[in-house]
Amino acid sequence: EVQLVESGGGLVQPGGSLRLSCAASGFTFSNHEMHWVRQVTGKGLEWVSAVGIAGGTFYSGSVKGRFTISRENAKNSFYLQMNSLTAGDMAVYYCARERVGTTSGDFDIWGQGTMVTVSS
Amino acid sequence: QSVLTQPPSVSGAPGQRVTISCTGSSSNIGAGFDVHWYQQLPGTAPKVLIYDNSNRPSGVPDRFSGSKSGTSASLAITGLQAEDEADYYCQSYDSSLGGSRVFGGGTKLTVL
Repeated sequence: EVQLVESGGGLVQPGGSLRLSCAASGFTFSNHEMHWVRQVTGKGLEWVSAVGIAGGTFYSGSVKGRFTISRENAKNSFYLQMNSLTAGDMAVYYCARERVGTTSGDFDIWGQGTMVTVSS
Repeated sequence: QSVLTQPPSVSGAPGQRVTISCTGSSSNIGAGFDVHWYQQLPGTAPKVLIYDNSNRPSGVPDRFSGSKSGTSASLAITGLQAEDEADYYCQSYDSSLGGSRVFGGGTKLTVL
């Protein structure tokens, strides 16, 4: 079964750090660009970051300089290191797979989401 | 404020047809980048409904269709059903934002 499973969410104090993980299974992980998308409770989807098949990284303006995305093909996993967290980062974080074969493909597989709560 | 603009809400009676618009600019939809549509049911992860402007993944009913013209795209739903009540998002790529993907603000579909 093609699947993505996030982990690592939880409660963190403002200014703190958290590392999210996304484990992939059921497909050739190394062939796909992978993404993080977040959603504040009751709000819309916000693209956060992407890691390409060659390891290139991309970030939204709201997280650039604070978040770092990486991948480990040998473990079929990718990660989001989040530093200097603020209340504005509190959201459900989804990992997602980009469809192969297009320049700006859709996200055809999504994880179930992991909640990040930033509070003192 | 989202880079892609969607109406906050639309509604329709069962059996009717509704459309959801997604308006962008010359750096995203107008530049020729594909538009994708997602459906998000309450408490669940989004699911792709239409990709590359007008393609339906297997398993998505043909009641759902997509189109794109100029700097805008549209999602049409015909034969509206109660189970279609959900949030819908458009998504594309924006060349002015360094490789960024962009989403619309989302549209809440209510089946009356």
